[in-house]
Amino acid sequence: DAKTTQPPSMDCAEGRAANLPCNHSTISGNEYVYWYRQIHSQGPQYIIHGLKNNETNEMASLIITEDRKSSTLILPHATLRDTAVYYCIVRVAKIQGAQKLVFGQGTRLTINP
Amino acid sequence: DTEVTQTPKHLVMGMTNKKSLKCEQHMGHRAMYWYKQKAKKPPELMFVYSYEKLSINESVPSRFSPECPNSSLLNLHLHALQPEDSALYLCASSQLDGQGHEQYFGPGTRLTVT
Repeated sequence: DAKTTQPPSMDCAEGRAANLPCNHSTISGNEYVYWYRQIHSQGPQYIIHGLKNNETNEMASLIITEDRKSSTLILPHATLRDTAVYYCIVRVAKIQGAQKLVFGQGTRLTINP
Repeated sequence: DTEVTQTPKHLVMGMTNKKSLKCEQHMGHRAMYWYKQKAKKPPELMFVYSYEKLSINESVPSRFSPECPNSSLLNLHLHALQPEDSALYLCASSQLDGQGHEQYFGPGTRLTVT
């Protein structure tokens, strides 16, 4: 299984951009990078995914390095509601079309007022 | 409707009880998942159903018995659990590969085994 490495915790000031790094040096060529977040006492929420190009949606941007060994999730204007645990996941397998996601330890992001 | 619902929200059961957790989605997803999450740990995959058939069992003890009666419903039957099985049980659903990528999670059932 491709593994991911994330810092255990980060702080960011409200209104600033939050940049969350992830290392996935053993990723293989057809594996996507996914980001999910989990706000306290809720189920995880999908944020964004990418293969090799940078991606942007209404929640965040995903920057993947050219060698695909690392990526950065960017929350452009962090709010207090973005305080959560952020998981970087490399999809490890598809079995009969379903996805096997293996969650790492994640980064606990705290947005400070 | 992009919602996955789970009932009950909380459950307390004794080690000799039999109970069931229920999950429901109406997004037309044909893959459904059970995860277990212990406090301050990431979710861990337990079971995956594809087209209502069990496709992944991550070596889960037989005291946990999943069931997928139709494409919208997923159950997890619990019997003779141990206190260490106390956790948040999360259900998720997704389209099958080639049609979409994200998994939608429910809010979870917080289970306490006494």
